[in-house]
Amino acid sequence: QKEVEQDPGPLSVPEGAIVSLNCTYSNSAFQYFMWYRQYSRKGPELLMYTYSSGNKEDGRFTAQVDKSSKYISLFIRDSQPSDSATYLCAILNTGGFKTIFGAGTRLFVKA
Amino acid sequence: GAGVSQSPSNKVTEKGKDVELRCDPISGHTALYWYRQSLGQGLEFLIYFQGNSAPDKSGLPSDRFSAERTGGSVSTLTIQRTQQEDSAVYLCASSNSLAGVSGELFFGEGSRLTVL
Repeated sequence: QKEVEQDPGPLSVPEGAIVSLNCTYSNSAFQYFMWYRQYSRKGPELLMYTYSSGNKEDGRFTAQVDKSSKYISLFIRDSQPSDSATYLCAILNTGGFKTIFGAGTRLFVKA
Repeated sequence: GAGVSQSPSNKVTEKGKDVELRCDPISGHTALYWYRQSLGQGLEFLIYFQGNSAPDKSGLPSDRFSAERTGGSVSTLTIQRTQQEDSAVYLCASSNSLAGVSGELFFGEGSRLTVL
């Protein structure tokens, strides 16, 4: 079993739609949860990070963590064609150094 | 430079040849990571350097892979006797902490390796 599971997609939505991206993880020791965004032929860039359970909002993006079910989500409101990219969830355990990434979900937002 | 720099950006080689991939991290970042990204496989951790400590090599897939970091800055990933399954994008990242709360990873654009 992989430590982080993520559906690779692709996911195609019309402009303006609400997008939901999800990951599950296996180790309850993980404490920090991140989302990276990767445009084609570029390196990933940190989009959001959260600590422990709860929600965190930044503009059109909301990251949600449910530690009881080991489930993390990223919601994108009013999606734009410029949001088309691969979204990778990532996790890190407290005191650790190794960031573990999911497979990434390819998102296409159609104008 | 302002960001993480990797070279070459593209490398095509023949099976059995050795290749070297270079990473120049952000100045002042003490941590340096190598990841491998294959199609649909996400980022696979390879190796981690932190300051002058011994590197964590637990992610290296075989003894054909090695890496070094000179002077706490530039790193080179070497793949000996390349195989077709080594074809992937090799990403380098640096961080200014132990990847804790503020340990954002800053990635380069990657070196795309194709083994024929």
